[in-house]
Amino acid sequence: GAGVSQSPSNKVTEKGKDVELRCDPISGHTALYWYRQSLGQGLEFLIYFQGNSAPDKSGLPSDRFSAERTGGSVSTLTIQRTQQEDSAVYLCASNSGQGTYGYTFGSGTRLTVV
Amino acid sequence: AQSVTQPDIHITVSEGASLELRCNYSYGATPYLFWYVQSPGQGLQLLLKYFSGDTLVQGIKGFEAEFKRSQSSFNLRKPSVHWSDAAEYFCAVGAYSSASKIIFGSGTRLSIRP
Repeated sequence: GAGVSQSPSNKVTEKGKDVELRCDPISGHTALYWYRQSLGQGLEFLIYFQGNSAPDKSGLPSDRFSAERTGGSVSTLTIQRTQQEDSAVYLCASNSGQGTYGYTFGSGTRLTVV
Repeated sequence: AQSVTQPDIHITVSEGASLELRCNYSYGATPYLFWYVQSPGQGLQLLLKYFSGDTLVQGIKGFEAEFKRSQSSFNLRKPSVHWSDAAEYFCAVGAYSSASKIIFGSGTRLSIRP
């Protein structure tokens, strides 16, 4: 697509439930990234995909967080047994991974755990 | 370790006045530097990026930034701000040699005084 698409745009879930957040990168972009932005905070790196593999998952805060990418395209970030501190905006970005690329961000998914 | 410091949490300037937002980075390799803007409720928009060449780079919306290797700085400037520039500004650093993650500063919130 023309831009990075994330869904849903908003998600309210009960504490303890699992959630899945989806990211559809720009067509042909091999690199994909997940970030988290808590209220009034900067962007916290979560995980980076190159193709379908994740060379860097150092930012995942706990084993409740996981992500996968299939077909070198769509990625899903899954949070199990959500906690209130998981409430944040989850941003996805992609780039072509070649040359003087820029990182293009989606509009994010606002997750609220109640 | 990679890090980005934006020493000013919040800046207020009068409309029509000049602006400079500070950014200092720590990076072991050749840095790839970015400035992003995030308007309220919006996603991140790339203002400009620097990887090599002329140390003064021009971006969108009349912004420019100057890379100073000796000072490890990449400050953002605008000669005359408009009310629509009120937003959160993020400096970020990545590795030019690969498509690995980029690290963000904590952001500077810009307010415009009428």
